[in-house]
Amino acid sequence: NAGVTQTPKFRVLKTGQSMTLLCAQDMNHEYMYWYRQDPGMGLRLIHYSVGEGTTAKGEVPDGYNVSRLKKQNFLLGLESAAPSQTSVYFCASSLFRDSYNEQFFGPGTRLTVL
Amino acid sequence: GENVEQHPSTLSVQEGDSAVIKCTYSDSASNYFPWYKQELGKRPQLIIDIRSNVGEKKDQRIAVTLNKTAKHFSLHITETQPEDSAVYFCAASMGTGTASKLTFGTGTRLQVTL
Repeated sequence: NAGVTQTPKFRVLKTGQSMTLLCAQDMNHEYMYWYRQDPGMGLRLIHYSVGEGTTAKGEVPDGYNVSRLKKQNFLLGLESAAPSQTSVYFCASSLFRDSYNEQFFGPGTRLTVL
Repeated sequence: GENVEQHPSTLSVQEGDSAVIKCTYSDSASNYFPWYKQELGKRPQLIIDIRSNVGEKKDQRIAVTLNKTAKHFSLHITETQPEDSAVYFCAASMGTGTASKLTFGTGTRLQVTL
């Protein structure tokens, strides 16, 4: 099993450009999450999904959109990138059971917006 | 929404000493409290977790304690080793579905010196 994978690993964008980050998991997990990690601010939830075809806003959703068309994939889109979106993005998935919610993280995508 | 505070932000201990990291949460409905370890340049990984019906949990050199009345929980690492050097995050969540999202603390950078 590959677990949780993310593409790309690195990306540099110019202000105003768009891009899509892909997260894939092969563990048949229902729940998937997108976080951003900035120095001194921990992991902040952008959007998440509790099942195929569902999405919900997290703590910092502005400027991002997501889609969960297939259970194994969760896409994060930036329609018009801004320098404030420079960050490391982590995807995670979990198999929620009996209130345990161990989240398995992908390797991260380092995004720089110039 | 839930708010998780974590202290200290940095912690330096000598090899063999103990380390304690503390977190407080705001929502009394939270019932699941995981701790994640993130080594430099790597993804966060779960090291231990606890549910609200348990006061303490141990796994070899690490333990977590939970005080529901005071709404705080702590990570204890005994006999620290250089490989314990990393950033540690606490988190809290409160249930299933859209309540399953984790709210993370801002992290503690632990440095174990020889």
